[in-house]
Amino acid sequence: GNSVTQMEGPVTLSEEAFLTINCTYTATGYPSLFWYVQYPGEGLQLLLKATKADDKGSNKGFEATYRKETTSFHLEKGSVQVSDSAVYFCALSIPYNTDKLIFGTGTRLQVFP
Amino acid sequence: NAGVTQTPKFRILKIGQSMTLQCAQDMNHNYMYWYRQDPGMGLKLIYYSVGAGITDKGEVPNGYNVSRSTTEDFPLRLELAAPSQTSVYFCASSYGTGSSYEQYFGPGTRLTVT
Repeated sequence: GNSVTQMEGPVTLSEEAFLTINCTYTATGYPSLFWYVQYPGEGLQLLLKATKADDKGSNKGFEATYRKETTSFHLEKGSVQVSDSAVYFCALSIPYNTDKLIFGTGTRLQVFP
Repeated sequence: NAGVTQTPKFRILKIGQSMTLQCAQDMNHNYMYWYRQDPGMGLKLIYYSVGAGITDKGEVPNGYNVSRSTTEDFPLRLELAAPSQTSVYFCASSYGTGSSYEQYFGPGTRLTVT
């Protein structure tokens, strides 16, 4: 079946450190891939997405590249800030299969000054 | 433009009680979704709707019911609350399906069943 696997958290970093959150997927067909972010006390917000192999999604300094050969979509940021502290969810959808989102378990990021 | 709103924010139920979680969106979105988020787990789809009058089951529909009488509203009904339904519930909406259409989420309802 279709599934998403994320690295377990929490990930604890100092401000300005480099961030990587790993995400791999299993899917039939050709999925679209997403990163959602959930700030404390809020709902999820779309952070970035990629719809085909080798696409790079980017937003707010975060990037992720759709790697079909390794079935991965790792999230990276060169210099994290305290305000990036949140839970990050990797997700996929299978186009034309009702496009429902399938989420990973989420990775909590804590950034300290 | 309020986006997706959910009420209540918090609720404690006793086993066997019933309640309705409210969800409304003002973006004229056709598609609406209910998810639950358990600690340490990702979101699981409970029910979804592709338009007024049309609903369908998601991954974990047992113990829940939904209706969609208007484009704006998509309430989730728990008939006989059980401790296993303790979770955070998120409603979401999107204009369409496909990667071009972002899902917008409400702030969530934290439900405890004791």
